[in-house]
Amino acid sequence: DGGITQSPKYLFRKEGQNVTLSCEQNLNHDAMYWYRQDPGQGLRLIYYSQIVNDFQKGDIAEGYSVSREKKESFPLTVTSAQKNPTAFYLCASNGQGEYYGYTFGSGTRLTVV
Amino acid sequence: QKEVEQDPGPLSVPEGAIVSLNCTYSNSAFQYFMWYRQYSRKGPELLMYTYSSGNKEDGRFTAQVDKSSKYISLFIRDSQPSDSATYLCALRTSYDKVIFGPGTSLSVIP
Repeated sequence: DGGITQSPKYLFRKEGQNVTLSCEQNLNHDAMYWYRQDPGQGLRLIYYSQIVNDFQKGDIAEGYSVSREKKESFPLTVTSAQKNPTAFYLCASNGQGEYYGYTFGSGTRLTVV
Repeated sequence: QKEVEQDPGPLSVPEGAIVSLNCTYSNSAFQYFMWYRQYSRKGPELLMYTYSSGNKEDGRFTAQVDKSSKYISLFIRDSQPSDSATYLCALRTSYDKVIFGPGTSLSVIP
C-alpha cells in the first residue's frame, strides 16, 4: 500500500541536542512538506520541497533544517536553536496537479526532557 | 485578519445530532476547498473536497461552499461517536500551497 511513513512515533530530546525525524513516501509524489501542530494553533509550515535537491522555508523555519537527497525521503532535523520544540510534527506529500490537498503521515510527537 | 478562521470549539453534541462546522476566509483566489478529519495523535485524512461554489454530498457528510460570502461548511448528519475528532478546513488557489484552518474539536456523546 502506498503511503507516508514517519518515524519514530515518539521522540524525547534533551536540552541542546539535535534530533532528526524521518519521513518516507512511496507515492511517487514530487512535493513534500513538514508541519508543526500545537494545540489550538493548527498546522504551521516549517519547510517544503517541490523537487529533489531543492527546498524552501515555510512560516516557522528557524531552528529547523531539512534535506531532500531522494524523492522518497524528506528528513527534518530539529536543532538546539529551536527553543520550544515540543510539538506534534507531521509530514505530508502531494503529486503534481493534485489540487485536493495532501497525504499525511501519522506524525511524530517530540518532547523535550 | 487571518487567512482562514475556524471556531476551535470544543463542540459537544449527542449521538444522532446534525453537526455544522464552518470556516471563513479572506482570499478570494481560493478555488479548492477541503475538509480533513484528524483523530487524536494521528495525521489528518482527507474527508471531502469541492471545487468552486456549491454543495457536495458523500453519505452522512455534506460540504458547502459559498464563495460570495467566503464561507465554507461541513455538515454531518446522524452523528456517531466515531465522528469524534478534530476537523480542519483547508483551502488553496491554483498556484499556491494549501492553507489550513486551526481546526474544530468535535465530541459526539453516546
